Amino acid sequence: EAQVTQNPRYLITVTGKKLTVTCSQNMNHEYMSWYRQDPGLGLRQIYYSMNVEVTDKGDVPEGYKVSRKEKRNFPLILESPSPNQTSLYFCASSRQGGSGYGYTFGSGTRLTVV
Amino acid sequence: KQEVTQIPAALSVPEGENLVLNCSFTDSAIYNLQWFRQDPGKGLTSLLLIQSSQREQTSGRLNASLDKSSGRSTLYIAASQPGDSATYLCAGGGRSSASKIIFGSGTRLSIRP
Repeated sequence: EAQVTQNPRYLITVTGKKLTVTCSQNMNHEYMSWYRQDPGLGLRQIYYSMNVEVTDKGDVPEGYKVSRKEKRNFPLILESPSPNQTSLYFCASSRQGGSGYGYTFGSGTRLTVV
Repeated sequence: KQEVTQIPAALSVPEGENLVLNCSFTDSAIYNLQWFRQDPGKGLTSLLLIQSSQREQTSGRLNASLDKSSGRSTLYIAASQPGDSATYLCAGGGRSSASKIIFGSGTRLSIRP
């Protein structure tokens, strides 16, 4: 089944403790992206990757890091999480960037930073 | 800067009614447009993708149309059911692979039994 898999689904952590949210897709998509969703603010892009070893900042990149060493994986790293990073996070992939092809989303990771 | 408006923000209708959700872009240069469904706290499920060569797409009781000249899209849901209750989001963008897709803030739909 074609899908984007995120782990973990739920995570509670303390301020400053480094964490990684994994994202993997099995569709051989070139484009991958991370979003956060907050009430009243909608979906905001954190980072995206056009292809392996190519990453770029989205609208809200502060406090996050990403890497794209393999085509299928696009982990999101929070080096020193803070409470304002409490949010619902989504990974998405597409055959290419832009709107030429549809986007497939993961099931989401609900992160709470205390 | 491209912005997306979805109207209404929330809608509650009795079961069985037909309904229309609206999505409009400030910049009508939309190449493709995708409609998603999101259940509370869950991921986005793709419903329909209208590609540049199409004006509408249908899947079961859902029909989505795109009017590029005005930058507007509608999602029509026929014979609504309580299971249709969810938030519906539209997203669109330019043709270039470097262009970003822009999401609307969604319409929260509630179907009353």
